Amino acid sequence: QSVLTQPPSVSGAPGQRVTISCTGSSSNIGAGYDVHWYQQLPGTAPKLLIYGNSNRPSGVPDRFSGSKSGTSASLAITGLQAEDEADYYCQSYDSSLSAPVVFGGGTKLTVL
Amino acid sequence: QLQLQESGSGLVKPSQTLSLTCAVSGGSISSGGYSWSWIRQPPGKGLEWIGYIYHSGSTYYNPSLKSRVTISVDRSKNQFSLKLSSVTAADTAVYYCARYSAVPRYFDIWGQGTMVTVSS
Repeated sequence: QSVLTQPPSVSGAPGQRVTISCTGSSSNIGAGYDVHWYQQLPGTAPKLLIYGNSNRPSGVPDRFSGSKSGTSASLAITGLQAEDEADYYCQSYDSSLSAPVVFGGGTKLTVL
Repeated sequence: QLQLQESGSGLVKPSQTLSLTCAVSGGSISSGGYSWSWIRQPPGKGLEWIGYIYHSGSTYYNPSLKSRVTISVDRSKNQFSLKLSSVTAADTAVYYCARYSAVPRYFDIWGQGTMVTVSS
C-alpha cells in the first residue's frame, strides 16, 4: 500500500491527451510539499520527468506537464506518442512518522 | 556530467548480508545540497525508498528497513555503499542508487540499477 495513490493503468491513442493522478494526504502533498514525476521505460532506470510540481528538466518535451492542487497532483501528456508507453511514478516528501520519501505505486501508460 | 554506477553481489543467500556500492563519476560526492540514496524495485512492483546519506554523513532510513540497513560513504573513493542484513526472498529486487536534491527533494540522477536475487 503506497502512501501516494495512483491509478494502476491508463491508456490513450496516439495524439490524444492523458492524465495521471497522484493523491496524497495532509502530511505530504496537502502539507505543501512538492510533487515530482518519473518516467520508467521498460527495462530502464526511472528518469526525472517533472520536478517541483510543474517544472521540466532540460530535454523533457513540453508535451509533459504537471500540476498540483490540495492533496493531489496530476501529470498530463498531450500529443501521445508510442515512445511514451512506460511506467510513471509520483514522489513527494512526508512529514509523518513514515518514511520521509514517499512514492506512488506507479501507473502503466499504454499507447493504443 | 555526473554518473552513478552500482556494483556488488547479484546473488545472496537467505539470512546473509546484501552489499552494494555506488560509484560516483563526473562530480564530487562531497558537493553540498545533495544526499546519496538507495531505492529498490521488486520484480513487477513499484519503487521503495531505502535511505540516504548526506554529505555530512548523517543518515536517514526507511522505518520499515531501519533495523537492517546501513548506508555509508567513502569520500576517498567517491562512492557510497548499502548493506542490508538478514535478507529474505522479499529483498529480491533491482537496487538503484540515486542523487537526492535537498530542495525541493527529488532524485535527479539515477544509476542503471543492479538486480539482486536472494536464494539458496
